[in-house]
Amino acid sequence: GAGVSQSPRYKVAKRGQDVALRCDPISGHVSLFWYQQALGQGPEFLTYFQNEAQLDKSGLPSDRFFAERPEGSVSTLKIQRTQQEDSAVYLCASSLGWLAASFLYNEQFFGPGTRLTVL
Amino acid sequence: KQEVTQIPAALSVPEGENLVLNCSFTDSAIYNLQWFRQDPGKGLTSLLLIQSSQREQTSGRLNASLDKSSGRSTLYIAASQPGDSATYLCAVRKQGAQKLVFGQGTRLTINP
Repeated sequence: GAGVSQSPRYKVAKRGQDVALRCDPISGHVSLFWYQQALGQGPEFLTYFQNEAQLDKSGLPSDRFFAERPEGSVSTLKIQRTQQEDSAVYLCASSLGWLAASFLYNEQFFGPGTRLTVL
Repeated sequence: KQEVTQIPAALSVPEGENLVLNCSFTDSAIYNLQWFRQDPGKGLTSLLLIQSSQREQTSGRLNASLDKSSGRSTLYIAASQPGDSATYLCAVRKQGAQKLVFGQGTRLTINP
């Protein structure tokens, strides 16, 4: 389809394992965001890319979290040495861009998320 | 730090009623506000986006208003249907920033 896709949809990891979560944004979208959503809570910002440049990573909770978007399209969120508190839904969103001149560029479109459970 | 609050946390109403969901934010220097719907186990579906210069947006049975100076937005749902049952989230984008700051959501149940 034409929407944001994420894989895998579900991931179970043992504590201490490394995981990699993938996001395919809408084709042509310049901006890409990662959010973390704990059970019963609203999503919280993790990091933001404009093309391949990671412009804001202020929301990453620790240095175990790492995100990349090497060619400005697909992005991967990697979590090293997973902990139980990492269990959450990880949401990816994309938008056309950041140009303030046009309202068309503002709206963020979200993927279905990856539910990560750390045992 | 921008904080977004949604009241009530949960709401249950009979089918056919008109209802209002509330969202408040602490920093009025926002660029836009977005309302989303989230079904259980699913991602977020964008419903309406209001730019800071706008007062309201409408889509079908949904109407969202924005009062930036008082830090409030409302989502009005007319003639509610069981299919409207979901969690509704509001999110604000601060001026000069790209990220969205979300409220905790209102879980809405429409009873047939």
